[in-house]
Amino acid sequence: ETGVTQSPTHLIKTRGQQVTLRCSSQSGHNTVSWYQQALGQGPQFIFQYYREEENGRGNFPPRFSGLQFPNYSSELNVNALELDDSALYLCASSPLAGELETQYFGPGTRLLVL
Amino acid sequence: EDKVVQSPLSLVVHEGDTVTLNCSYEVTNFRSLLWYKQEKKAPTFLFMLTSSGIEKKSGRLSSILDKKELFSILNITATQTGDSAIYLCAVVLLTGNQFYFGTGTSLTVIP
Repeated sequence: ETGVTQSPTHLIKTRGQQVTLRCSSQSGHNTVSWYQQALGQGPQFIFQYYREEENGRGNFPPRFSGLQFPNYSSELNVNALELDDSALYLCASSPLAGELETQYFGPGTRLLVL
Repeated sequence: EDKVVQSPLSLVVHEGDTVTLNCSYEVTNFRSLLWYKQEKKAPTFLFMLTSSGIEKKSGRLSSILDKKELFSILNITATQTGDSAIYLCAVVLLTGNQFYFGTGTSLTVIP
């Protein structure tokens, strides 16, 4: 088990609502990345935060946004939820930006949008 | 467009069989390729490959990278039911802040 935790574990929302997912990074890690994993697919990179700044972004619309706090924990916010946002959301922390090879994944938050 | 393709999508074998999982990639500015095992939620790290032709081994698992032909294979010998999982490969770009996963191979090992 890694030291990366996520909350909540499961969540049900309706279309159009907003959601906030949380991630606590492993001790000593200052970089957090977020991924979306739809059923039957591999995880897709959403974005990465390093020292409270966005440090890279995948092909996701602006309604996916994030924050990183001084203690390096992070939030993923999704506005105007769509049915296709239903997925497992994974966060991963790594000790240094630019070293995604060393990232550790959290257990994920499973989001269902009805 | 950068992409990572895995094959087969799914595989069912009997305990004791040997399996080979494939991962091909087309990306600009390749840096490394990683293999993960995902059983329920969090992917767990298996191997990182950066150089062609150098086999990495861990117990019954091994992997190798071919940077000329742009692919990697993951071998599992003497499979056990505990090997049942989704196996993901991912490519990291030179910038280090872009990470592309394949769709995964679902492996089921029957007793």
